[in-house]
Formats: sequence, C-alpha cells, structure tokens
Amino acid sequence: GAGVSQSPSNKVTEKGKDVELRCDPISGHTALYWYRQSLGQGLEFLIYFQGNSAPDKSGLPSDRFSAERTGGSVSTLTIQRTQQEDSAVYLCASSFRDTGAGEQYFGPGTRLTVT
Amino acid sequence: AQRVTQPEKLLSVFKGAPVELKCNYSYSGSPELFWYVQYSRQRLQLLLRHISRESIKGFTADLNKGETSFHLKKPFAQEEDSAMYYCALSVHTSGTYKYIFGTGTRLKVLA
Repeated sequence: GAGVSQSPSNKVTEKGKDVELRCDPISGHTALYWYRQSLGQGLEFLIYFQGNSAPDKSGLPSDRFSAERTGGSVSTLTIQRTQQEDSAVYLCASSFRDTGAGEQYFGPGTRLTVT
Repeated sequence: AQRVTQPEKLLSVFKGAPVELKCNYSYSGSPELFWYVQYSRQRLQLLLRHISRESIKGFTADLNKGETSFHLKKPFAQEEDSAMYYCALSVHTSGTYKYIFGTGTRLKVLA
C-alpha cells in the first residue's frame, strides 16, 4: 500500500519568505509527527497530532513555526519568515495509534534550503 | 530531562567483525526503546524495538535498566549494514507519547 508521502521533495526559498510543507499520512493512522533532521543534530521533534486531541507543540523552535492537520489526515507545516537556520530536511511520520510502542512510518522528507 | 545519547557519530568496522552501536537514555519512567535505520537514499525505518525482543537482520538490542542503555549489536557485520542508525525513546507526558531520537551513528562496514 501507499506509504507516507511528503511534498515538495525539495524547496529552495529566499530568507524572509513563508513556506508550506505537506504530509499525507498512511490512511487510518491516527498519530502524525513532524521532525527536523539537521546535519549532526539527529532528529528533532517538532509537533505531534493524535486523533482529535490538541497537538503537542512543545518541540516547535519558535512562533514562526506552525502546523495543522485537517480532517485527521493531511498535515501542513508552515514556516513564516524563513531564516537560514531553518534549512534542514523535514520529516513526517505516522503511526496506527499511539501506544508509545508503535512503529512510526516515515515519509521521504522535504529538503528545505533557505538562501 | 529525557534524553537519548549516541556517543559515536561514526563507527567503522571491517566486514565480519562484531559491531556495537551505543545508546544511553535518561528517563525516570518505564522506557520504550527503538532502533531506527536509514539506508542510503531510503526512508527512515524501524529496525527493532525492545518490547518485541526480536532479532532483525542479525541485530539485537538488550535493555539494561541499571546502565540505562540499549546498545545495538551484531556479531558479524555485513557491507549492507552500512547506514545511519538512530536510537529512540518513547516518553509518556501529559497523556500523550513523544519520541526522542538520538543524534545518530553512521555505521560504515569496510570490505
């Protein structure tokens, strides 16, 4: 079946511009996560959605970052007024349900370059 | 604070040699631990989880609560094991689960 998909695969933007990154989770997966993967920094947790509950935004690095999940499916991560330090690979993952021991299925990522 | 530490950024071993990727965690609760792997040009994927007590592709990992470690081991490394490996901890906070990943270890298996 189809896995987690993300778009675009690559995004180059100028400093100060806003960007939107999209994630389509696996159908039926109630939990959705966003991570940032930077060279030498590993995976940095950004935000987590579980069903209809309020999202856990504790990992968002600044108020320029926001995310929403519509209809319990597709999610969009928005970065406003991008900065060069936002350059990274943004990964989305979903899991069937959040039990703490479930497998996360990752998308291919969006490589964001801020010039 | 909850934390996952992978002390080695790069580990190089020869084919056929044993390999151990280190992972230490900090968490006051009951830990759920995972190893994820990312092969070149592939997605990050689950390798194994401690709760399953499984061996995948010859890899095993044992949770040692006394040493707060979850090291990944394989007795005989293969070239196809070359990849980026991430240790992850699932923590339960405020009624939800959050995953904390380590910074990763790149394993290079040399011919």
